[in-house]
Parts: sequence; structure tokens; C-alpha cells
Amino acid sequence: KNEVEQSPQNLTAQEGEFITINCSYSVGISALHWLQQHPGGGIVSLFMLSSGKKKHGRLIATINIQEKHSSLHITASHPRDSAVYICAATPFGNEKLTFGTGTRLTIIP
Amino acid sequence: GAVVSQHPSWVICKSGTSVKIECRSLDFQATTMFWYRQFPKQSLMLMATSNEGSKATYEQGVEKDKFLINHASLTLSTLTVTSAHPEDSSFYICSARGLGSGGSSYNEQFFGPGTRLTVL
Repeated sequence: KNEVEQSPQNLTAQEGEFITINCSYSVGISALHWLQQHPGGGIVSLFMLSSGKKKHGRLIATINIQEKHSSLHITASHPRDSAVYICAATPFGNEKLTFGTGTRLTIIP
Repeated sequence: GAVVSQHPSWVICKSGTSVKIECRSLDFQATTMFWYRQFPKQSLMLMATSNEGSKATYEQGVEKDKFLINHASLTLSTLTVTSAHPEDSSFYICSARGLGSGGSSYNEQFFGPGTRLTVL
């Protein structure tokens, strides 16, 4: 069992839909990261959070430390949001990231 | 702020040659840099962690004599794939973590755009 698990693995939605991607982890962490990887390959760090909620434009990330669970939400989704979204955790006492397997999101116009 | 660049963005080379990939932090001092490789449709795999001025720490199964990492300054780390073979073809990504303006530290890693290596 991976220490960081994401669901769903693949998600296809219509433009405008509200999107939720989930991430569960099994170890104590100091931070949880959400990353975006476009088809070209480059990775963008969307959020780093250790508690509560963060918002940037149409993206919202939440984390529940007690439940070891985080969600990434996209409001008013757009085809340009199509990408792989990766959840990654920084375990306590370890600077290395533990990655989830990613969620491939496709937004259809 | 916190921009990381990689050069080249893609490279094609013949089997047996060596390839150097640069990773630069453009507007902050990177005390730690990480090198990852990624095969198609797979997650990132950490290859090594390098701290400025010291030897890199390689992950299990990564040959340090094949993947030479140098982190000679606070803004530059290089990965050299020596005697490259077709099985080394992959997407190589670096990330950096370090000091921001005023000496405040970044806890998050900032990723470079990646380098696609194809070995013929």
C-alpha cells in the first residue's frame, strides 16, 4: 500500500463542472503539496499546506490532519485545466517528498 | 519569485555519450536540490538529493558513477548522465529548496520544467 494514495486515477468532466481530487496519506506529515503537470512535462507547485484551506483563483486545497486527507477542488473547470494533478507529502523528519500516483484530469469543451 | 530553470529542455544523443543537465534557481539560493526521473505515465522517482558544497545522497538502486551530481553553488546543480544508453531515456526533473529574500527558508520544493533525454 502506498503511503500516499489519490483518487480518482482518471477523471473526465465537462467544461464548467466542479472538480474534486482526493488524497489520503498514512504517515505523519509536516506538509502536503499539490502539483500540476501538463502534457509537456513541466511541474508547477500549486499549493503547500499543513492545515486548513488555501485558495488561489479557481483552485482550492483543503487538508484534514486528523483524517489524514486532503482535497483539491477546481471551480468552473476549463479545458486548460487538463493535466495530471499530483499529491505529495513531506513526512515528519524527512525532506523527501512521497508522491501519489497522480490524477489525470481531462476537461471537455 | 522562486523560479527554477533547467537546460536543455530536451536532448537527443548517441549511445555512449555523456549528457549534462543544468538546474538553476533564478531568484533564490537553493541549499538543497533534488533530481527526479519520470518514465511515461509514471510518478516521479527521486534519484538523489544534493546539498550545496557536499556530496549528493543517492537513492537505493541509483548508480552514482553513472549519474554524476554536482551542486557547486547555491544556484546551480548539474546532473551528468555518463555513457548514456537507450534505457536512460527519460524525463529528468530537478527541484530546489532553499533561502528566500531576507534569509527566510522555503519549506516547499520548486520544480524545474524538466529535461527530456532521448538516447539513440
